Amino acid sequence: GAVVSQHPSWVICKSGTSVKIECRSLDFQATTMFWYRQFPKQSLMLMATSNEGSKATYEQGVEKDKFLINHASLTLSTLTVTSAHPEDSSFYICSASWRGGRAGELFFGEGSRLTVL
Amino acid sequence: GENVEQHPSTLSVQEGDSAVIKCTYSDSASNYFPWYKQELGKRPQLIIDIRSNVGEKKDQRIAVTLNKTAKHFSLHITETQPEDSAVYFCAPAVGGTSYGKLTFGQGTILTVHP
Repeated sequence: GAVVSQHPSWVICKSGTSVKIECRSLDFQATTMFWYRQFPKQSLMLMATSNEGSKATYEQGVEKDKFLINHASLTLSTLTVTSAHPEDSSFYICSASWRGGRAGELFFGEGSRLTVL
Repeated sequence: GENVEQHPSTLSVQEGDSAVIKCTYSDSASNYFPWYKQELGKRPQLIIDIRSNVGEKKDQRIAVTLNKTAKHFSLHITETQPEDSAVYFCAPAVGGTSYGKLTFGQGTILTVHP
């Protein structure tokens, strides 16, 4: 099956610093990548959708200047949390889809747990 | 956008019993209905999905039933085992141009007691 790799799996940073999370599709070209955030004991909330070579589309309430998404190639998307604060501490998960897959089919990365001190 | 409600929020059963989780959605254009299982700290795993052209699908102990008229679909797990304990999410979606844009339900914590 298709594999999506995400790293780092966990990161601890100080308040005010920026953190970058990478999401790679290892054996397929990801048409679209999605970034989700999951707070403890809550559901996955879609943050943004990114297509290779174009600007990401952010969901309502998600600050695009704070959560920078870059999808420079068909196999790599990055999420940068800028000027992170403790309330940004969460589990961030990427997922990818491709045109060759079944409609709606998603492949998830392992997730990245961010803790901001 | 899609409004998704999932019930119950928690479900506790004895090993060997059946478990049923229901998901109600609002977008009548939805045509893809997956169920995901998520263990603590792990990524969601697709366990079964169904498309709108069928009413039921079964895979060993797991089944999904769909009622498009009433806009709900359900996950059925039979002969539950302790390793079935996890959080389960439904995530209905509109396939086609919006490949993979899923709206997740609130989740159901399933606990299977030995």
